[in-house]
Amino acid sequence: GEDVEQSLFLSVREGDSSVINCTYTDSSSTYLYWYKQEPGAGLQLLTYIFSNMDMKQDQRLTVLLNKKDKHLSLRIADTQTGDSAIYFCAERNSGNTPLVFGKGTRLSVIA
Amino acid sequence: GAVVSQHPSRVICKSGTSVKIECRSLDFQATTMFWYRQFPKQSLMLMATSNEGSKATYEQGVEKDKFLINHASLTLSTLTVTSAHPEDSSFYICSARDQQQYFGPGTRLTVT
Repeated sequence: GEDVEQSLFLSVREGDSSVINCTYTDSSSTYLYWYKQEPGAGLQLLTYIFSNMDMKQDQRLTVLLNKKDKHLSLRIADTQTGDSAIYFCAERNSGNTPLVFGKGTRLSVIA
Repeated sequence: GAVVSQHPSRVICKSGTSVKIECRSLDFQATTMFWYRQFPKQSLMLMATSNEGSKATYEQGVEKDKFLINHASLTLSTLTVTSAHPEDSSFYICSARDQQQYFGPGTRLTVT
């Protein structure tokens, strides 16, 4: 079945950029997402990208998609302590199928 | 972005009782709703997918008689954990989809 992989931990200093990487196996992926989860909370949709796009930027967030390598990244510019959370990569195809999630990357921001 | 609410946010119940969790899409109509379970420090585990007016599709290993899902309208789905046991204690998260997929804040269930 489809699989989504991400590194489990990332630590950065406040003010630096964070880059969280994700790889997926489903070649028919149409939508790719980044969600943020803070302790004890649900998932917040941060951003998403369609598979026909290479890049999407929204304020401090930049998503890059390399469809050939099935690689997705999320860059957070000027990382703040409030960005500390778990970030989930997820994908789905164009049908009404469930999201396939990665295991999440725990981002720790050091002041 | 779109808002999904869940109630209650936290519930403690005795073993053998049933608990109902509500999930509502507040500002959009959700063609499909999903129920997930999350164990500590783990990713989300999909339990079931439900479309309004039809029976839910359960993932392998999820007991449909234990986790009853009712998707009565395009803005409301409920999950009832029947005859709850301590091993059902978990964080339950619902999700609603129109064009994109949005998540509720989660319900922490503790069965004593």
